[in-house]
Amino acid sequence: QVQLVESGGGVVQPGTSLRLSCAASGFTFSDYALHWVRQAPGKGLEWVAVISYDGRYKYYAQSVRGRFTISRDNSKNTLSLQMDSPRPEETAMYYCARGLERNFGMAVYLDYWGQGTLVTVSS
Amino acid sequence: QSVLTQPPSASGTPGQRVTISCSGSSSNIGSNTVNWYQQLPGTAPKLLIHSNNQRPSGVPDRFSGSKSGTSASLAISGLQSEDEADYYCATWDDSLNGLFGGGTKLTVL
Repeated sequence: QVQLVESGGGVVQPGTSLRLSCAASGFTFSDYALHWVRQAPGKGLEWVAVISYDGRYKYYAQSVRGRFTISRDNSKNTLSLQMDSPRPEETAMYYCARGLERNFGMAVYLDYWGQGTLVTVSS
Repeated sequence: QSVLTQPPSASGTPGQRVTISCSGSSSNIGSNTVNWYQQLPGTAPKLLIHSNNQRPSGVPDRFSGSKSGTSASLAISGLQSEDEADYYCATWDDSLNGLFGGGTKLTVL
């Protein structure tokens, strides 16, 4: 069965860095676009970034562009999110989610989600 | 403030039909498909409707979606207590980013 397991969350100081990972199994990883979505405590969902199935295309929310980097390793079935200079308002549960098959990423179709990893940005 | 506008709350009694709206613009809903997600308390979101009106396998046919112009709607008929959850619309924007609506909290009275 499809599984997505996030890791790497924790407490991080503003202006430092944190790298989140998402380990995937149960499907052909290299065939699917992958997304990061976050949810601040008690708030709604916020789309963060997507990477195409082949890694060629990456798109970001305006709020994280230039600070966050999405990447994937199709040989290790792993998705990553490098968070540089995080801000306190980016404290949230971060979810990875599977997108469309053989897609360059331009759709918020997310059929499988991980359970999330909590990131707390605080000094 | 979300680019996609949803009512913050909705409610109904068991057996009723409720609808949740999602309003956008020509650069998002107007030119891309809409998906809907259900989030039960303390859990990850679940895909409920995709491609405006398609139900993934396992989603009851009580749930339906529609889209017209720059707006979309989710309808739930035969409301059940287990439908009490947060509901989100989502779509792509032509400025090359994804969007979620602000979410609607559905209460079953």
